[in-house]
Amino acid sequence: AQSVSQHNHHVILSEAASLELGCNYSYGGTVNLFWYVQYPGQHLQLLLKYFSGDPLVKGIKGFEAEFIKSKFSFNLRKPSVQWSDTAEYFCAVNAWRDDKIIFGKGTRLHILP
Amino acid sequence: ETGVTQSPTHLIKTRGQQVTLRCSSQSGHNTVSWYQQALGQGPQFIFQYYREEENGRGNFPPRFSGLQFPNYSSELNVNALELDDSALYLCASSLLAGEDEQYFGPGTRLTVT
Repeated sequence: AQSVSQHNHHVILSEAASLELGCNYSYGGTVNLFWYVQYPGQHLQLLLKYFSGDPLVKGIKGFEAEFIKSKFSFNLRKPSVQWSDTAEYFCAVNAWRDDKIIFGKGTRLHILP
Repeated sequence: ETGVTQSPTHLIKTRGQQVTLRCSSQSGHNTVSWYQQALGQGPQFIFQYYREEENGRGNFPPRFSGLQFPNYSSELNVNALELDDSALYLCASSLLAGEDEQYFGPGTRLTVT
């Protein structure tokens, strides 16, 4: 069965620090990968996605993620965080052409001004 | 805003009762997925509907059922409510099943006492 593991449950950073949130998945076949973000009081929204092609994908608000197939990883990065990045971040995977998306447990990111 | 709406926003029910949650998808989206998000967890896939037919199901018992209507609205029904059913219920709509970005609604917070 597919599963997603997010390494950090709670991360606290100062503004301008660099960010990397870890995500590993377990599934042997072709996958689609996602990072979703939930800002306080708002809907879950897509930050970025990988379906195929360049394993380095860029998303909104300066975020990027790198798919490393050999490591089953899809880590999220941002070179310089802002206070407005305070949110909960979810990594998710679905097997190619499968119906269900499997989410990780989420990482709460708190940026200190 | 994703164009996906859910009602009601909050709901309190008693154990053993039945509940119906409603979702209105983005116009033109043929696929709707329902998720349960318990406190401190990521969303868990309940099931997906594509063109009014169930298209995939997660690890939830049959007392969780759904309907999708031609007007892009859908319902999640839960019978014989249990305390553990207390959670945020999210619906998400997409254009194609399994291959497309999902747009999430704000969720319905269900409390079972």
